Amino acid sequence: GAGVSQSPSNKVTEKGKDVELRCDPISGHTALYWYRQSLGQGLEFLIYFQGNSAPDKSGLPSDRFSAERTGGSVSTLTIQRTQQEDSAVYLCASSFAGHGDTQYFGPGTRLTVL
Amino acid sequence: QKEVEQNSGPLSVPEGAIASLNCTYSDRGSQSFFWYRQYSGKSPELIMFIYSNGDKEDGRFTAQLNKASQYVSLLIRDSQPSDSATYLCAVNMGGGATNKLIFGTGTLLAVQP
Repeated sequence: GAGVSQSPSNKVTEKGKDVELRCDPISGHTALYWYRQSLGQGLEFLIYFQGNSAPDKSGLPSDRFSAERTGGSVSTLTIQRTQQEDSAVYLCASSFAGHGDTQYFGPGTRLTVL
Repeated sequence: QKEVEQNSGPLSVPEGAIASLNCTYSDRGSQSFFWYRQYSGKSPELIMFIYSNGDKEDGRFTAQLNKASQYVSLLIRDSQPSDSATYLCAVNMGGGATNKLIFGTGTLLAVQP
């Protein structure tokens, strides 16, 4: 596609429920990243996939967070047993090759946990 | 100490003036540096990247990098009201081993017509 796409654009859920957020990177981009942006804050790195390498999960805040990337393309970020502090905009980005290459961001998913 | 630091602002400049946005980073081994612009409610969009010491110009934008001082800046010449946004500095601190970016919290720029 022309750019990174994410779905849903907005998600409202109840505390304790699981949610799945989807990211479709730019065609041909081998690297995919998830970030989180809380209100008025900068971007917080969550996880990074590069090709077939093991993902860099160093930014995941707890074991309730996990992500998959199937077939080297689409990625799903799953948050289990959501908490109110998980409310944020979840941004996905992709880049062409990995090291040092420019990341292009999707429109984000705004998650609200009631 | 935060890994990437920016003054949160707001930085207010009159239309037509030069806006100067600054960023410092903690990891001396950092190799690549990015400036993103983020309008309210939107996702970040890339303005410029810089890898080497010195200046890099692109239209009205100039990025400046000084690795010895661990300092990167963005100058916006002939500022326009449409430049009003939050500017995010991002640094690849992986020393080439990873493409993970560390972002500053951003500087809010307000260009007054």
